[in-house]
Amino acid sequence: SQQGEEDPQALSIQEGENATMNCSYKTSINNLQWYRQNSGRGLVHLILIRSNEREKHSGRLRVTLDTSKKSSSLLITASRAADTASYFCATRGTYKYIFGTGTRLKVLA
Amino acid sequence: DTAVSQTPKYLVTQMGNDKSIKCEQNLGHDTMYWYKQDSKKFLKIMFSYNNKELIINETVPNRFSPKSPDKAHLNLHINSLELGDSAVYFCASSQEGSNQPQHFGDGTRLSIL
Repeated sequence: SQQGEEDPQALSIQEGENATMNCSYKTSINNLQWYRQNSGRGLVHLILIRSNEREKHSGRLRVTLDTSKKSSSLLITASRAADTASYFCATRGTYKYIFGTGTRLKVLA
Repeated sequence: DTAVSQTPKYLVTQMGNDKSIKCEQNLGHDTMYWYKQDSKKFLKIMFSYNNKELIINETVPNRFSPKSPDKAHLNLHINSLELGDSAVYFCASSQEGSNQPQHFGDGTRLSIL
């Protein structure tokens, strides 16, 4: 069965607002990663959080991980039109990555 | 400067044909992957190679055969193409180890007529 599921499936916000997307997973993990995919392009790695970490920051990105609830959230602060993309979480188990279904973010200028 | 490059970018072909997709990475990574992304954007791993050896082989029809001539290349050959094979196929690479990010190519859009 599918491991990661992002919520919401689609999100539309105004430029300057914050965007929050969530990811839930089912089994134990080594780490959880977030990726961005622009239309017609490959996935680009944004941030990795290990299973023993609770929060991580990178520029305008903030990721949290709650292993007891098997969930993670990605917060993009002060969003820009260029942040328009699909965002995927990926969980790393013993030997492979499993990707979620993605959140399509649209930032309106 | 391209890190992970795939060719071709687009592939349109008839049902029943055989086709190949090539992937090369210049990052010096030990591990390479093939993923399939369907029309709903769901991304599923197909194969993974580490130093030219197959380490992941998901439930994929045996019409799909990966080949890794060296650790910088991972090609995907598909026999007897079917309509359901229409998708975007992504190649990716990473350093060995579980806490490593993956680097993706821009995908090959395969359309079966």
